[in-house]
Amino acid sequence: AQKITQTQPGMFVQEKEAVTLDCTYDTSDQSYGLFWYKQPSSGEMIFLIYQGSYDEQNATEGRYSLNFQKARKSANLVISASQLGDSAMYFCAMREGNGGFKTIFGAGTRLFVKA
Amino acid sequence: DAGVTQSPTHLIKTRGQQVTLRCSPISGHKSVSWYQQVLGQGPQFIFQYYEKEERGRGNFPDRFSARQFPNYSSELNVNALLLGDSALYLCASSSPFANEKLFFGSGTQLSVL
Repeated sequence: AQKITQTQPGMFVQEKEAVTLDCTYDTSDQSYGLFWYKQPSSGEMIFLIYQGSYDEQNATEGRYSLNFQKARKSANLVISASQLGDSAMYFCAMREGNGGFKTIFGAGTRLFVKA
Repeated sequence: DAGVTQSPTHLIKTRGQQVTLRCSPISGHKSVSWYQQVLGQGPQFIFQYYEKEERGRGNFPDRFSARQFPNYSSELNVNALLLGDSALYLCASSSPFANEKLFFGSGTQLSVL
C-alpha cells in the first residue's frame, strides 16, 4: 500500500536560515508524482513544488527545492531564507501512477519561523 | 479566473442528520477530489471523480457518497452523521496537463453536535 511518512511533528527555524522538512514514501509504482503543499492557519492548501518519479533533476520553485532521493524513497523539502510568513503546516503528498488519480498526504510538519 | 469554490463555508448538524457539500472546480478541470481533514491531521482521501465517473475511493463507510455533474461540479453527501464526521472537508480540482497538481478550495467546516 502507498504511504507517506513525515516524522517531524514540529520544526523551528530562525528567520533567514534554511530548513529541511523530511518526507519518505512507499510505493510499488514506477511512475508517481510527489508534491509539497503549505497550509497556513487560514486553512487553504497551497501547492509549493512537484517532482515526477522520472525527473532526474531536483525540482526548484523560488525559495523551495525538493531533495529527491529515489533509491531511499525520500522527498525532502528545503526552504531557503525562511520568512515569518513561512510559518504553517507543510504536507508531503504522492499521486499514484499508472493512470491513477489518487493523491495521498502525510500527517504534516508544523513549521515555526522565529524572528 | 475563479478558483475552486466550495459551499457552504461552515455547517452545524446534529447526529443522525444528512449533509450535502458542494464544489465547483476550476474552469477546464474535469477531475474533482474530496478530502476529509480532522484537526491536526493530514487530509484523508475520500473520493476522486473524473469525467463524471468515480475513479477512486478511500477507506470511508458507505454513508459517504458523491457525484459529479455534466458541468464537472460535484457534491459530497454524508448520511447518518456521527460526531467523528466533524472535520474540514476539502475539495480539489486537477488537470492531467498539470501533473494532477491539486487546486484546493477553502473547505467546508462541518461540526456535528
